[in-house]
Amino acid sequence: SQTIHQWPATLVQPVGSPLSLECTVEGTSNPNLYWYRQAAGRGLQLLFYSVGIGQISSEVPQNLSASRPQDRQFILSSKKLLLSDSGFYLCAWTTGRPPLHFGNGTRLTVT
Amino acid sequence: AQSVTQLDSHVSVSEGTPVLLRCNYSSSYSPSLFWYVQHPNKGLQLLLKYTSAATLVKGINGFEAEFKKSETSFHLTKPSAHMSDAAEYFCVVSGENFNKFYFGSGTKLNVKP
Repeated sequence: SQTIHQWPATLVQPVGSPLSLECTVEGTSNPNLYWYRQAAGRGLQLLFYSVGIGQISSEVPQNLSASRPQDRQFILSSKKLLLSDSGFYLCAWTTGRPPLHFGNGTRLTVT
Repeated sequence: AQSVTQLDSHVSVSEGTPVLLRCNYSSSYSPSLFWYVQHPNKGLQLLLKYTSAATLVKGINGFEAEFKKSETSFHLTKPSAHMSDAAEYFCVVSGENFNKFYFGSGTKLNVKP
């Protein structure tokens, strides 16, 4: 069966520090991969999605970037975190068709 | 363009009473629709999905939803609420090529003892 791993579960980082969040999917090949963010009191915001290795679509221009170095690995990065980057980050995948399957999320607090 | 409107940001029910969470969608094609549940600090879990088969869809934990094309609605119901149902619920519609998904703003369900 397919599983999605997302880590770390929680992270506290100072303003200006770098960020790397990792997501890995097991049990499937060539998944579509997604990064979403939930800020306090707001809904889900799509940040990036990828339909293949090296193919990244950015939905919101901001302080973040994404990479897909391997078929089932999706990384969210930042060179310098801002206070506004705080939130709950969710990785998700599909087979190319619905539904979305979500990881357990990473709670990021920028101090 | 696709969009989803969840008509209530908060719903409060008593344990054992029915639950109704309302969702309206807008789509330029025949959509696939979903309901997800999110408990605090957890990922989203799929409750049920509509993908152009039966219009009454049954999901996990006793939830069901009915797709009504004429009303562009996909309301989520449960006959009897349980304390463990307290969570946030999201209605979602897929994009035409299934690469994107459009989320409602969420409905927080409170269940009173």
